[in-house]
Order: sequence, then C-alpha cells, then structure tokens
Amino acid sequence: GESVGLHLPTLSVQEGDNSIINCAYSNSASDYFIWYKQESGKGPQFIIDIRSNMDKRQGQRVTVLLNKTVKHLSLQIAATQPGDSAVYFCAEKELGGSEKLVFGKGMKLTVNP
Amino acid sequence: EPEVTQTPSHQVTQMGQEVILRCVPISNHLYFYWYRQILGQKVEFLVSFYNNEISEKSEIFDDQFSVERPDGSNFTLKIRSTKLEDSAMYFCASSEGLAGGVFFGPGTRLTVL
Repeated sequence: GESVGLHLPTLSVQEGDNSIINCAYSNSASDYFIWYKQESGKGPQFIIDIRSNMDKRQGQRVTVLLNKTVKHLSLQIAATQPGDSAVYFCAEKELGGSEKLVFGKGMKLTVNP
Repeated sequence: EPEVTQTPSHQVTQMGQEVILRCVPISNHLYFYWYRQILGQKVEFLVSFYNNEISEKSEIFDDQFSVERPDGSNFTLKIRSTKLEDSAMYFCASSEGLAGGVFFGPGTRLTVL
C-alpha cells in the first residue's frame, strides 16, 4: 500500500499465531481511537474502534486494548491468517475538539503460511 | 455493505492543470472528509465538510483546494494549478456523526508530471 515506506516497522508471524500490533498516540486529550487495515493499493479499512471510557473492546478475531495512562493502544489478532497481511494504522481523535483523525505511522504485518 | 466509492482510481495530469477528484460517500452519512497520503508517509487530514460547508481544514488545504457537494450524492475535491508535490493518494471518507467510525474509499492516485 501507499503507506509502505523504508522506515515502516514490520511484524512477521506464522499463520495461526496471535499477532499484537502496538501504537503509541500523541495527544492525551484524544478520546476516540480507530484501528485501520490497509492492503496494497487500497484505502484504509475500518477494523475496530474504542472510546476512552473503555480499556478493552472485542470484535471478530480482534481485540483492542487502550491504556490511557501511557497513551498506548494495541490490536490483537487471533489465529492470524494470510489475508491479514497488510499495513495497520491506529488513528486518534479528540471528540468535541478537532474533527480530524490523526494517523500513526503504521506497522506492516506479514503472515507466513 | 455500503461503502465509499471514488473515481477515477488513477489520475495523471500535467503540472499547472486542474483536477477534480470525485467521491460518493455512504448514503446516510452526514460528515465527509478528504485525506491524502504521500508515498511512504502517514495519512493526513485535508478537510471536513458538514451541512454543505467546510467545518474544518488543515494548513495543507490552502486556496489551491476546494470541495463541493454538487448534488445529493457526490462530494468532490478540486485541485487548481497542480504541483509536483500534490502527487499522492487522495482518500475520501465519511461518517454518520463525529463520534462514530470514519469509513474510507479506495482512493485516487494522483500523479502530477
């Protein structure tokens, strides 16, 4: 995808393993967070979101954890599949403040069969 | 499942020319956005649009750029007098409200020669 660059962090896992992708966000006032998946040549695809009044939220095969104390967000993918290979971004927003999403740099996940 | 669509998928233009990028947001969404991603860099916010007017714009979104919702379905980004550094992926996005998920289109790759 367009986000792949020379300095993009990379995580390589075996099919069936669990993956954990981490994100440190910058604005302590951010209170809404989204994880996106971006495959090569495609737009960011919404995976899961979480508000700051929660510290954990689960979806289908994915779990997002939020630690506001250290401004850290993680995305856990259970039983990773080759189709999960993509670049993953976290994005933050300050509800009631700016309307924009602020994106992190992204991490490239490669799933080996 | 409803999705954001964008046309064209790839636009090549000469420096100094004007381009119009088109988007059809998700039909019941009220907030519309343009973001861009220069190759190898983060996704960055350009502008948000609500109730037929710009509600927020970034410092990137100068007089060279304009947005319009010409009818009930289309949302366009016009870039006047394109420059080489305008080459990027341009993503349209929409959301139902400010506090919910933001859904992105597949993007238009703009190449300025």
